[in-house]
Amino acid sequence: GQQVMQIPQYQHVQEGEDFTTYCNSSTTLSNIQWYKQRPGGHPVFLIQLVKSGEVKKQKRLTFQFGEAKKNSSLHITATQTTDVGTYFCAGNFGNEKLTFGTGTRLTIIP
Amino acid sequence: SQTIHQWPATLVQPVGSPLSLECTVEGTSNPNLYWYRQAAGRGLQLLFYSVGIGQISSEVPQNLSASRPQDRQFILSSKKLLLSDSGFYLCAWSRQGQTSPLHFGNGTRLTVT
Repeated sequence: GQQVMQIPQYQHVQEGEDFTTYCNSSTTLSNIQWYKQRPGGHPVFLIQLVKSGEVKKQKRLTFQFGEAKKNSSLHITATQTTDVGTYFCAGNFGNEKLTFGTGTRLTIIP
Repeated sequence: SQTIHQWPATLVQPVGSPLSLECTVEGTSNPNLYWYRQAAGRGLQLLFYSVGIGQISSEVPQNLSASRPQDRQFILSSKKLLLSDSGFYLCAWSRQGQTSPLHFGNGTRLTVT
């Protein structure tokens, strides 16, 4: 079946350090979306990438879509305590549904 | 603006009891609707999605069912709950089309005892 793998599962970083989470699919994606879920909350949409090799930035967050449209990454520069949560990628394989990655739970050590 | 309502927020049910979770969307028409389940500390598993009234696609065989009696209403049901049905149930909507982001409700935390 169509799956999206995400690593690492957990990441603990000192406040101010950088953080990166990676997503991989065995088949080509139509697009990929990223979501953030705060502890006890629901996932909130961050961004969508559609084009091969696309790079988008939101303040300290940088999102990349691979050239083959099979992988993606989210990089946070100089993490802050407000970045705590679980980050999910979600891939679309050309239909009306999204397949979510397993998520990366980010904790910040003050 | 669009809003999504999901209730109840928490629910404790005995094994073998029925279940009905409701989700409604306001401020948009003909949305795609989704039910996801999230086990504690885990990812999101797509259970059902619907692209229109009466159109339900099931992703995972289980003792749950979904219905869409109205354009902006999505219901998740079970006749007899199992312990393994415990989890965080999330309803979401999106506009029609492959590139539309999902907007989630606040979720229902279900504990089956």
